[in-house]
Amino acid sequence: AQRVTQPEKLLSVFKGAPVELKCNYSYSGSPELFWYVQYSRQRLQLLLRHISRESIKGFTADLNKGETSFHLKKPFAQEEDSAMYYCALRWDGSARQLTFGSGTQLTVLP
Amino acid sequence: NAGVMQNPRHLVRRRGQEARLRCSPMKGHSHVYWYRQLPEEGLKFMVYLQKENIIDESGMPKERFSAEFPKEGPSILRIQQVVRGDSAAYFCASSPGNTIYFGEGSWLTVV
Repeated sequence: AQRVTQPEKLLSVFKGAPVELKCNYSYSGSPELFWYVQYSRQRLQLLLRHISRESIKGFTADLNKGETSFHLKKPFAQEEDSAMYYCALRWDGSARQLTFGSGTQLTVLP
Repeated sequence: NAGVMQNPRHLVRRRGQEARLRCSPMKGHSHVYWYRQLPEEGLKFMVYLQKENIIDESGMPKERFSAEFPKEGPSILRIQQVVRGDSAAYFCASSPGNTIYFGEGSWLTVV
């Protein structure tokens, strides 16, 4: 069965410091990986997907199939980056739902 | 396009009552998903529907929970005889087939 693991429930960094949110997955096929961000009690917004290989709000994520990881990185954190971040996987089954990790609450300190 | 609309945003129910959560997908989207976010936990998939069909309900509790997406009108997640453990945020999402877009969620509190 597919699974997404985000080992850090809480992560605090200072403004301007680099940040890395970890995500590991387990799935034997070819997954699609996503990062979603949720600001306080708002809707989840798609931040990144590995297929597009784009950078949004300074965040990047590289799919490492050898390590089965999809870590989210930003070189210089900003206070407005404080939010809950979810890594998600979509597998090539018949249904198209996402499997989410448990999330990492990022706090960027001034 | 107004985005995925959920209502009510907040709902308080007493134990034993019924809760109905509504979700209007984005225009043109025929796929609807429901997720539950329990306090201090991540999102858990509940059910995936297309118009008039349940495609995957593997995440739905076996009892008291049901979902529909009729030909006309919003998708509805129904929870009968609510218990305290049902208190959570319920997120609906819709998709035209690929990218999934989320609503702002409905927060259910059972007292």
